[in-house]
Amino acid sequence: DAGITQSPRHKVTETGTPVTLRCHQTENHRYMYWYRQDPGHGLRLIHYSYGVKDTDKGEVSDGYSVSRSKTEDFLLTLESATSSQTSVYFCAISEKGGSGHNEQFFGPGTRLTVL
Amino acid sequence: GEDVEQSLFLSVREGDSSVINCTYTDSSSTYLYWYKQEPGAGLQLLTYIFSNMDMKQDQRLTVLLNKKDKHLSLRIADTQTGDSAIYFCAAAASGGSYIPTFGRGTSLIVHP
Repeated sequence: DAGITQSPRHKVTETGTPVTLRCHQTENHRYMYWYRQDPGHGLRLIHYSYGVKDTDKGEVSDGYSVSRSKTEDFLLTLESATSSQTSVYFCAISEKGGSGHNEQFFGPGTRLTVL
Repeated sequence: GEDVEQSLFLSVREGDSSVINCTYTDSSSTYLYWYKQEPGAGLQLLTYIFSNMDMKQDQRLTVLLNKKDKHLSLRIADTQTGDSAIYFCAAAASGGSYIPTFGRGTSLIVHP
């Protein structure tokens, strides 16, 4: 299995509080992604990174920010959590992106509940 | 942008074949993927097909691609209870930086 860990695995928080989710990889892959998974919506891309300090928005980026200061770590921040951000969040990595076959490897997910 | 559609549920008996269907909208999609998600876990790549192919077989898995109709299917032969999972179709095109767009997932339930 690709070396991807996510922390925390579960979190319950209150509306209006800031939350940071961490994705850590040991594969030295260049590309990292954050997705959210919701019933009836499948997997939707929030933000992705194509290198250290290089990030871009995905389909559902409103209310989220990301940072990547090291190759191995990709942080997802909810500045002020809302109940609509209750979801399961997956981090993914890939070696190639933007140039063809792009196999993604997924972390185990973080279940976030915003009360 | 790309839109990927798939049916939400499929129920089969153990030993039967399962066929999961998917349609996509971007005719320039170059890579089509099938991912599997087991309960409580992340997604894992099952197989993929390049757009210049119309079929790919890998052990019990057969992928069929109809590029004209933008239709992809995944056939699982001799379906086992261990195949019960959510299966995601995904399509990637150069216009989207080859980042896959995922469908909503099909829950496959295999009855003994």
